[in-house]
Amino acid sequence: AQTVTQSQPEMSVQEAETVTLSCTYDTSESDYYLFWYKQPPSRQMILVIRQEAYKQQNATENRFSVNFQKAAKSFSLKISDSQLGDAAMYFCVYNNNDMRFGAGTRLTVKP
Amino acid sequence: KAGVTQTPRYLIKTRGQQVTLSCSPISGHRSVSWYQQTPGQGLQFLFEYFSETQRNKGNFPGRFSGRQFSNSRSEMNVSTLELGDSALYLCASSLARGTGGDDEQFFGPGTRLTVL
Repeated sequence: AQTVTQSQPEMSVQEAETVTLSCTYDTSESDYYLFWYKQPPSRQMILVIRQEAYKQQNATENRFSVNFQKAAKSFSLKISDSQLGDAAMYFCVYNNNDMRFGAGTRLTVKP
Repeated sequence: KAGVTQTPRYLIKTRGQQVTLSCSPISGHRSVSWYQQTPGQGLQFLFEYFSETQRNKGNFPGRFSGRQFSNSRSEMNVSTLELGDSALYLCASSLARGTGGDDEQFFGPGTRLTVL
């Protein structure tokens, strides 16, 4: 069974600084997709960034980028120039016909 | 374009009852997925419907069922409710252009079910 592990239940970052959220996963598949979703307090879950396993190039979306290490089964999210609006629960997600969510990392942004 | 809507937003039931939750996807989206979110178990995938057919299923007992209508709206039913079914139930829709699983999912606000 595929499992997703987020080892950091909570993280804190100063506004304008950089933070990295960790994620590892377990799978025997070679083709799959990975995502980071964020769930702001009392708001709907939204997609942050996605990565296709067969693409070696790390995905980037504005201030958000990933470090995808397929052999190590690692998929970390880097948030640069953190903003107050980045405060949320972040979920690492593995998808190969059914979505598997990590337990989440609660990110606090300090002004 | 309107987002994913879920009704009702809050629901209180007692053990043994059954409940039906509804989800209206974004217009044009053909896939609807359901998730259960609890503090203890986190987010767990229930099932996915595509073109009125269940395409994928998570590891939940048969008390949890769903269906999708021709307009892509979906309902989820839980029979013989247990205390442990108390959770936030999230629905998500996607275009499902293919079966590769890379589609962005758009989530609704959820239905918070409390079982007493």
